[in-house]
Amino acid sequence: QKEVEQDPGPLSVPEGAIVSLNCTYSNSAFQYFMWYRQYSRKGPELLMYTYSSGNKEDGRFTAQVDKSSKYISLFIRDSQPSDSATYLCAMSARTGGFKTIFGAGTRLFVKA
Amino acid sequence: DGGITQSPKYLFRKEGQNVTLSCEQNLNHDAMYWYRQDPGQGLRLIYYSQIVNDFQKGDIAEGYSVSREKKESFPLTVTSAQKNPTAFYLCASSRATPQGRYGYTFGSGTRLTVV
Repeated sequence: QKEVEQDPGPLSVPEGAIVSLNCTYSNSAFQYFMWYRQYSRKGPELLMYTYSSGNKEDGRFTAQVDKSSKYISLFIRDSQPSDSATYLCAMSARTGGFKTIFGAGTRLFVKA
Repeated sequence: DGGITQSPKYLFRKEGQNVTLSCEQNLNHDAMYWYRQDPGQGLRLIYYSQIVNDFQKGDIAEGYSVSREKKESFPLTVTSAQKNPTAFYLCASSRATPQGRYGYTFGSGTRLTVV
């Protein structure tokens, strides 16, 4: 079993839809959670960073962490064609020397 | 603008050949990293360096080598010992150590193909 599981998709939605992207993990020590967006043939860019549990909002993006369920989510409101990309979750723990574990990514297509 | 520059964007390697991927950053970050990305897999850490003249192996260091002679530069050499080098290689840096506790800044990547 992988430490971090992420549905590869692809996920196809119409423009304006609310998108939900998710990751599950097995290591209860994870406490730092990140979401990256990666456009085709580009490097990932950090989108959201969350420490421990709870929600964090930044514009159209909301990151949610449920440590009791070992489940994190990224919500995109009013999705745009420019949101079409691969979204990677990542997480780390102090006990692991902050070694970052990445999910394989979910490919998202937003249709105009 | 500050950032990470990787070159070349595309690289072709013949069997038995060593190739070097360049990574330069002007973010004044102490820590730098090399990751490998393959379809359907998460990023895998090859090497990382937290300070000049020091570096550590990651999870898949076999067949790779690095140097860190300058803070700004962290080149990766893919040697002939790496049996399956075709992949997308990403260089990253972070302002905190160890290992990007607050996230990484990535370069645009180098696509390496064996011909």
